[in-house]
Amino acid sequence: RKEVEQDPGPFNVPEGATVAFNCTYSNSASQSFFWYRQDCRKEPKLLMSVYSSGNEDGRFTAQLNRASQYISLLIRDSKLSDSATYLCVVTGRGGNNDMRFGAGTRLTVKP
Amino acid sequence: GAVVSQHPSWVICKSGTSVKIECRSLDFQATTMFWYRQFPKQSLMLMATSNEGSKATYEQGVEKDKFLINHASLTLSTLTVTSAHPEDSSFYICSAPPGSRRAYTDTQYFGPGTRLTVL
Repeated sequence: RKEVEQDPGPFNVPEGATVAFNCTYSNSASQSFFWYRQDCRKEPKLLMSVYSSGNEDGRFTAQLNRASQYISLLIRDSKLSDSATYLCVVTGRGGNNDMRFGAGTRLTVKP
Repeated sequence: GAVVSQHPSWVICKSGTSVKIECRSLDFQATTMFWYRQFPKQSLMLMATSNEGSKATYEQGVEKDKFLINHASLTLSTLTVTSAHPEDSSFYICSAPPGSRRAYTDTQYFGPGTRLTVL
């Protein structure tokens, strides 16, 4: 079983749509959780951290369920510029120096 | 602006040659740097942890004699792919913890990546 598993995608949605990505992780001792965005042939960039209480940043909402070892990302009112690959990232035993990446879910937002 | 740089951004080489990739922290010191590799449509996989002043720590399955890492200073780590072959073609990304740099986030800073194509 992979340490971090994500929806394989790709997701192709029209502008303005709401889209949700799911992620599960295997290490119950993981402490920190993140969503990163990666554009084609670019480095990953932090989108948002994920907290147990859930957190929102504009059109983006992240949720964490530690009991189910499940993380989600919701994007509302999708924009063309949201097209990218979204990586679920979980820390291992080494904390933020031990980041484990999911394979990513590709999102394409179309006009 | 960028806080971690990589050079070169893209390199094409013939099979059997060696390629050196540099990773620099631009305005902070990094005693530790991480090297990742990403194949198309796959996740970033940690290859090794580079430590200033000591040997690098390699992940299981990564050949230390093939992927030479040198952390020459507090701002520079290099990865040399020796005797590169087509299967080494990949996207190589380095990162550094924020360390002493004042940061809005406590996650790693990623370099822009180096795309290696071995013919």
